[in-house]
Amino acid sequence: DAGVTQSPTHLIKTRGQQVTLRCSPKSGHDTVSWYQQALGQGPQFIFQYYEEEERQRGNFPDRFSGHQFPNYSSELNVNALLLGDSALYLCASSLYTTGTDGYTFGSGTRLTVV
Amino acid sequence: AQSVTQLGSHVSVSEGALVLLRCNYSSSVPPYLFWYVQYPNQGLQLLLKYTTGATLVKGINGFEAEFKKSETSFHLTKPSAHMSDAAEYFCAVINSGNTPLVFGKGTRLSVIA
Repeated sequence: DAGVTQSPTHLIKTRGQQVTLRCSPKSGHDTVSWYQQALGQGPQFIFQYYEEEERQRGNFPDRFSGHQFPNYSSELNVNALLLGDSALYLCASSLYTTGTDGYTFGSGTRLTVV
Repeated sequence: AQSVTQLGSHVSVSEGALVLLRCNYSSSVPPYLFWYVQYPNQGLQLLLKYTTGATLVKGINGFEAEFKKSETSFHLTKPSAHMSDAAEYFCAVINSGNTPLVFGKGTRLSVIA
């Protein structure tokens, strides 16, 4: 039973470029949440998708957008990259009806903006 | 807004010693509490969780945590530290329903031989 898978594992982009990160949730899960983890910090909530709609959003600018597909997989898009966007991006999946059971996390995508 | 505070950004213990990582939550109602561990260059792994029921929760790798409503705390303990326990530990909270999981800033645990 595969857990949460994220791709790519590492990525280097230039300031001003756009990036797309991908996530496949754990089998049986229908909800995907994205987090940004800067070096030495705790993960910060970006947004959550369920039934292909953004359900909740953290304090991130509109440059951060996402999508969820009918098979529950998800993408995170970041436009006009800034140096400060360099971080580990974590995808987490859960079951919407039992969200209080916690999330299962992927290994993350390490984004470096130069 | 729901939050958790982890006391001590870095804790160092000797191998075989007690591990105690502190977490306090802010909530007017009992929340759902979690401890996650993160090894270098990896994602987050769930150690244990408190949702309802017994206040002493046992997790993986010999860790446990006790929910104390009177102290608004959910400290993580392990009787005897092992070198493999060296990692970053995060306390996290869900308020209710499908509100997002909110993390503390983390505590880095070092284990000295």
